[in-house]
Amino acid sequence: ETGVTQSPTHLIKTRGQQVTLRCSSQSGHNTVSWYQQALGQGPQFIFQYYREEENGRGNFPPRFSGLQFPNYSSELNVNALELDDSALYLCASSLGTGVMETQYFGPGTRLLVL
Amino acid sequence: RKEVEQDPGPFNVPEGATVAFNCTYSNSASQSFFWYRQDCRKEPKLLMSVYSSGNEDGRFTAQLNRASQYISLLIRDSKLSDSATYLCVVPRSGTYKYIFGTGTRLKVLA
Repeated sequence: ETGVTQSPTHLIKTRGQQVTLRCSSQSGHNTVSWYQQALGQGPQFIFQYYREEENGRGNFPPRFSGLQFPNYSSELNVNALELDDSALYLCASSLGTGVMETQYFGPGTRLLVL
Repeated sequence: RKEVEQDPGPFNVPEGATVAFNCTYSNSASQSFFWYRQDCRKEPKLLMSVYSSGNEDGRFTAQLNRASQYISLLIRDSKLSDSATYLCVVPRSGTYKYIFGTGTRLKVLA
């Protein structure tokens, strides 16, 4: 096991609602990255947090936002949910932000938007 | 051209066979590469990192061809438990942003 945990494991929401997903990083890791994985696709980078600051973002609209806390746990918030937001949301923690740093993934939160 | 491309498969192989997947990438400046394994409805798990010409771990060998901009994953003596999707990851050059391929699905048949 990677030591990265996520909650909840599954979630069902309706269009227009808001959702908050949570991630606890592996002990000692100060960096958390979030990914969206649609069915049959590879994970897509949403954003990364390093020491409580957003450290870069992928091609996702502003209604996807996040936070990182002093203990390096993190939240992903999605407002005004759309049907296409249905996906597996993965967080990954790493020891830093370098390109050689390995990212360790949590089990994911499966979100269904109806 | 996509930044990272993989043949989605599925590759159906008998137990004991040797199978190889390729992954092509577009950015010639990429320095590090990863193979992750993802079981159905589970999270990706690191299989192998590749920083230079290649890496070997038991039955698994990854090779990097910088001239042709691809990495390969070779699995020898396939086991039923190797059935999974294999994701190629190439961090965008100079950044920490992991760019994933769509994955190659492997089914090892008894």
